[in-house]
Amino acid sequence: QVQLQQWGAGLLRPSETLSLTCAVYGGSFTGYFWTWIRQPPGKGLEWIGEIWHGGRTNSNPSLKSRVTISVDPSKKQFSMTLTSVTAADTAVYYCVRGQFLREYWGQGNLVTVSS
Amino acid sequence: QSALTQPRSVSGSPGQSVTISCTGTSSDVGGYDYVSWYQQHPGKAPKVLIYDVNKRPSGVPDRFSGSKSGNTASLTISGLQAEDEADYHCCSYAGSYTHWVFGGGTKLTVL
Repeated sequence: QVQLQQWGAGLLRPSETLSLTCAVYGGSFTGYFWTWIRQPPGKGLEWIGEIWHGGRTNSNPSLKSRVTISVDPSKKQFSMTLTSVTAADTAVYYCVRGQFLREYWGQGNLVTVSS
Repeated sequence: QSALTQPRSVSGSPGQSVTISCTGTSSDVGGYDYVSWYQQHPGKAPKVLIYDVNKRPSGVPDRFSGSKSGNTASLTISGLQAEDEADYHCCSYAGSYTHWVFGGGTKLTVL
């Protein structure tokens, strides 16, 4: 059974950097894209970006200048950072396995940006 | 403003069928057969129902089906059940620059 467990700071001030990490338990780490998706309160989902186990990344053009996605296959973990956060970045952030088939999701982390 | 357009809400009675639409452009829904649908109950992570327009992952009941015509994709839920009451999100591949776009989500109410 594949499980994704994610963690990171839940409250940030404007201009700080958001950092989240996701650990994968069960199943293979190689051969998959690993994805970050977020959901502002009461709104729809937004794709942030994805990383291949080998390190190749794709990012949302609207966030590309601020987001970095990295992977550590030896630990079966992947991470994201988002710099210069504002209130608009307040959302539940999810880590996900997959690209065309996003079958396994983390539990979600509510990240609030407030002064 | 989401890239894909979904109705904000739909409703149906138990046993009925409902269809949720997801309208994009020729640059996303109409251009690729990579539309997926997700079901999300309050406070929970989304769950994939359909991928690649009409494929169901193992474990998803065949009451859920997907289709596409032109720039509009559709999710049909037949034999509505109370537990189908949830939010539904569509997603489409949008090319090598934009990559992936989502709809704004549709709230399904089972009357």
